[in-house]
Amino acid sequence: DTAVSQTPKYLVTQMGNDKSIKCEQNLGHDTMYWYKQDSKKFLKIMFSYNNKELIINETVPNRFSPKSPDKAHLNLHINSLELGDSAVYFCASSQMTGETQYFGPGTRLLVL
Amino acid sequence: AQSVTQPDIHITVSEGASLELRCNYSYGATPYLFWYVQSPGQGLQLLLKYFSGDTLVQGIKGFEAEFKRSQSSFNLRKPSVHWSDAAEYFCAVGLRTGGFKTIFGAGTRLFVKA
Repeated sequence: DTAVSQTPKYLVTQMGNDKSIKCEQNLGHDTMYWYKQDSKKFLKIMFSYNNKELIINETVPNRFSPKSPDKAHLNLHINSLELGDSAVYFCASSQMTGETQYFGPGTRLLVL
Repeated sequence: AQSVTQPDIHITVSEGASLELRCNYSYGATPYLFWYVQSPGQGLQLLLKYFSGDTLVQGIKGFEAEFKRSQSSFNLRKPSVHWSDAAEYFCAVGLRTGGFKTIFGAGTRLFVKA
């Protein structure tokens, strides 16, 4: 039983393409997050959604658009991919209070 | 601005030896404090957390951490390291800013010698 799952696990694409990463959690949580981990392992929050509403948006370029169709899903769509978007993207979920977050396995994006 | 500093980029210890990973934070109030572990190619797993109360907190896998307000530190310790502990360790601060925002340190990579 995977608590937080992400698809795909690996994504290799060309510059300028548009791609999506999907995240699903079966923990009954109402808050979900996207994090970006760069090549130096630095991990930074991008977005946070609570009950399908955006509550944190950390100055991420507007090429990145999160979408939450329901509380259990938070997808990340990226337009016009750039080389600098290459990273590992982690989804996480928590109860609304947010203190204990459960992370997915990550999606490794490589932009060529 | 809030920040988390992990001064050691990597640490090597022998199996069976004790371990201490350092973490300092910058924040005006007592924050929520966390340690996460990331094994190669994996997501992050929460080892332990501190919100209030007893400043020595116990976590999973035999880890513990001590909050020292005077030093703005939250160091992670383990009395005897196992080879399976080799991983990346992240200290983090949690803040309530409308939502709950977690700020991570840069991580410390732990190598374990046989």
